[in-house]
Amino acid sequence: LAKTTQPISMDSYEGQEVNITCSHNNIATNDYITWYQQFPSQGPRFIIQGYKTKVTNEVASLFIPADRKSSTLSLPRVSLSDTAVYYCLVGSYNTDKLIFGTGTRLQVFP
Amino acid sequence: NAGVTQTPKFQVLKTGQSMTLQCAQDMNHNSMYWYRQDPGMGLRLIYYSASEGTTDKGEVPNGYNVSRLNKREFSLRLESAAPSQTSVYFCASSEFGDRGRNEQFFGPGTRLTVL
Repeated sequence: LAKTTQPISMDSYEGQEVNITCSHNNIATNDYITWYQQFPSQGPRFIIQGYKTKVTNEVASLFIPADRKSSTLSLPRVSLSDTAVYYCLVGSYNTDKLIFGTGTRLQVFP
Repeated sequence: NAGVTQTPKFQVLKTGQSMTLQCAQDMNHNSMYWYRQDPGMGLRLIYYSASEGTTDKGEVPNGYNVSRLNKREFSLRLESAAPSQTSVYFCASSEFGDRGRNEQFFGPGTRLTVL
């Protein structure tokens, strides 16, 4: 399973766009990229998943360059309720094991 | 649908005591997982079960046993609790098998303290 590296923490203000970048240099051909969000005292929650290029849903966008060695989670116009830990995971279609790193702690200020 | 449920929510044990954490899901998922999360850390996989009747070790299986009782239920047992097992335990389930979104659904967690 590919190891991921992401910033330990980030700060932002309400209404701003937040981009969290994840590095996964050893990503394999069968690997896809998934982001989870975790609020205090809760289990993680799936946000978005992608394999290449760009994926967008009602919550976020995921940008994956052609070499797939990194990915960027983009949260448009964050609010206080987006304060959470965000995990970048790389997993293979051949296994259902996921490896959670320490994540990025996003703090949104008013 | 309740999703993934876990019992108990909180538990305090003395060193050497045993207990079983219960997990159930009502989404008809094949795969189920047990994770632990220590303060300020990410989740670490203890055991998982790809289908009823099968279980496999994750990153940190020592000191734990699991039982996949049926498709709905996956329990985690601590035979002789140690202070190092103080943690929050999360159960999750997913429908693995299709190429595409393998979303794991998590329960609310069990906060375990071993004195």
